[in-house]
Amino acid sequence: DAKTTQPPSMDCAEGRAANLPCNHSTISGNEYVYWYRQIHSQGPQYIIHGLKNNETNEMASLIITEDRKSSTLILPHATLRDTAVYYCIVKGFGNEKLTFGTGTRLTIIP
Amino acid sequence: GAVVSQHPSWVICKSGTSVKIECRSLDFQATTMFWYRQFPKQSLMLMATSNEGSKATYEQGVEKDKFLINHASLTLSTLTVTSAHPEDSSFYICSAIQGAENSPLHFGNGTRLTVT
Repeated sequence: DAKTTQPPSMDCAEGRAANLPCNHSTISGNEYVYWYRQIHSQGPQYIIHGLKNNETNEMASLIITEDRKSSTLILPHATLRDTAVYYCIVKGFGNEKLTFGTGTRLTIIP
Repeated sequence: GAVVSQHPSWVICKSGTSVKIECRSLDFQATTMFWYRQFPKQSLMLMATSNEGSKATYEQGVEKDKFLINHASLTLSTLTVTSAHPEDSSFYICSAIQGAENSPLHFGNGTRLTVT
């Protein structure tokens, strides 16, 4: 599976949109982009995933560039409860395993 | 939907004893479950893939005789840490896939193991 690169940490003001970038320049055609987050001392929580089209659900939006080499997770109105480590993971079709990198520690500031 | 329950949420045991951790998919059937381990301030590391009705597949460097995995039904996988030592103290997390390939993995809330 393709490797991903994320900034180690980010801050965002409460109520503003949090935009978390992820680079996956070696992604191949059948690999999906998944986003998870982990709040302290809990198991990871699934947020969203996509292949090439932009995706939106009740938690977030996922914007994937046309060349698919990078993506951005958008939390439209960040709250204090969104403080967590966010993981961007690329996973190939037919490979069920998820390999976690170091993620981005997002801190929402009151 | 897609709830994965893990039990216990925390456990303290003495060195040399064994500890069993249960992982259940509550509202779906999971032919495959995964076990991860997470040390403080580190990311999750995959330990093994648990397949219903067959032997687990362990990642390189994970001792299969120390970390026994049993996936006896489509909703239950267990991880037994045998002859636990203080260095086995960690956060153990299970996950399961609901549905077809490329469906997301859903995770339990983890078990914090402390070996004294």
